[in-house]
Amino acid sequence: QQQVKQSPQSLIVQKGGISIINCAYENTAFDYFPWYQQFPGKGPALLIAIRPDVSEKKEGRFTISFNKSAKQFSLHIMDSQPGDSATYFCAARFQGAQKLVFGQGTRLTINP
Amino acid sequence: GAGVSQSPSNKVTEKGKDVELRCDPISGHTALYWYRQSLGQGLEFLIYFQGNSAPDKSGLPSDRFSAERTGGSVSTLTIQRTQQEDSAVYLCASSFGRNTNEQFFGPGTRLTVL
Repeated sequence: QQQVKQSPQSLIVQKGGISIINCAYENTAFDYFPWYQQFPGKGPALLIAIRPDVSEKKEGRFTISFNKSAKQFSLHIMDSQPGDSATYFCAARFQGAQKLVFGQGTRLTINP
Repeated sequence: GAGVSQSPSNKVTEKGKDVELRCDPISGHTALYWYRQSLGQGLEFLIYFQGNSAPDKSGLPSDRFSAERTGGSVSTLTIQRTQQEDSAVYLCASSFGRNTNEQFFGPGTRLTVL
């Protein structure tokens, strides 16, 4: 049972374009939604995170949009650069718990 | 400052052998997590430590898997009688404490069971 569903599995975007990755969840007990970025051979690193009482959070070129009623959240990367090429994971954490539940990941390729 | 370190970086073993994977968390981090990442898959939670105790072991897939943490620091994940389906990257993460959101990940140990 996949608690956090992520799409697409892979994405190719031209340099300067907008990359959009989507995640959906079922359990309303989640209270924290981070996005992690992973380069080959490295562990994931926190990119940006949001709580469900906020509909949008922006940090530089990265924005999370959160739709509580639809139980969906997405990552937008503006002005995508080749250095953004990596695998991105959305995740969620149950209120009161510590473990993260991850989506399947999206391999993003930014073409120069 | 040093991040989370894991050793070995790669481990190849034969089916049926036992393996030990080590994690050194960031100094001062009281919370420690183990996750497993299979090829092309997301991360799967295995176990969470707060200090030396493990309040959440719900992700350990079978009794062949165990983990311990000593001195509130180093943790060891042990897999007994390894099977081919155990092949994956095992990731360790740490965080300041139970009320801290960000988990800092190590580079992982790639385990291959032949």
